Amino acid sequence: AQSVSQHNHHVILSEAASLELGCNYSYGGTVNLFWYVQYPGQHLQLLLKYFSGDPLVKGIKGFEAEFIKSKFSFNLRKPSVQWSDTAEYFCAVNIKAAGNKLTFGGGTRVLVKP
Amino acid sequence: EAGVTQFPSHSVIEKGQTVTLRCDPISGHDNLYWYRRVMGKEIKFLLHFVKESKQDESGMPNNRFLAERTGGTYSTLKVQPAELEDSGVYFCASSQVWGNRNEQFFGPGTRLTVL
Repeated sequence: AQSVSQHNHHVILSEAASLELGCNYSYGGTVNLFWYVQYPGQHLQLLLKYFSGDPLVKGIKGFEAEFIKSKFSFNLRKPSVQWSDTAEYFCAVNIKAAGNKLTFGGGTRVLVKP
Repeated sequence: EAGVTQFPSHSVIEKGQTVTLRCDPISGHDNLYWYRRVMGKEIKFLLHFVKESKQDESGMPNNRFLAERTGGTYSTLKVQPAELEDSGVYFCASSQVWGNRNEQFFGPGTRLTVL
């Protein structure tokens, strides 16, 4: 079965530090890739998405992600985090051959200390 | 434009009781999805409607769960009878698929606690 793994369950860092969250998936065919974020008390919001084209994708709030097909990875990055980036981050994959459902990673809780 | 809404936001019931969750998708979205997150686990797909038809219900855990989308607008997810392991957050999402592109918009979720 297809799976999505996020390497870190919890990340703690200070403001202005750089953030990189890993995401790997296990499927060799065509995929759409997403990062969602859930801020405390809020619902899941889309940070960025990859459908095709340039593998370096820019999203909202200064986030970007790079799709590396050979590594089955879609890592999320932000050069300088703020306290307001404290949230849970989810990588999700849509495997086109399996319909429109999303397969999620386990999520990474990020705590940014002021 | 209103986003995906879900009702109730929280529900606490006893084992054996019935609960019905509701989802109103974004207006005009033909695709509606239910997902669930059990505590400590990943968000898992339950099922997918296209308009009023069930496109994929491969994630439904068992026959205690019944989802409907009469008229192709809002959807309900009924759990009857509820068991302890049904506790979790139930998310609804909707999308309008354009070619290869399927961006799903999520509701706030319903937190279900079965005692």
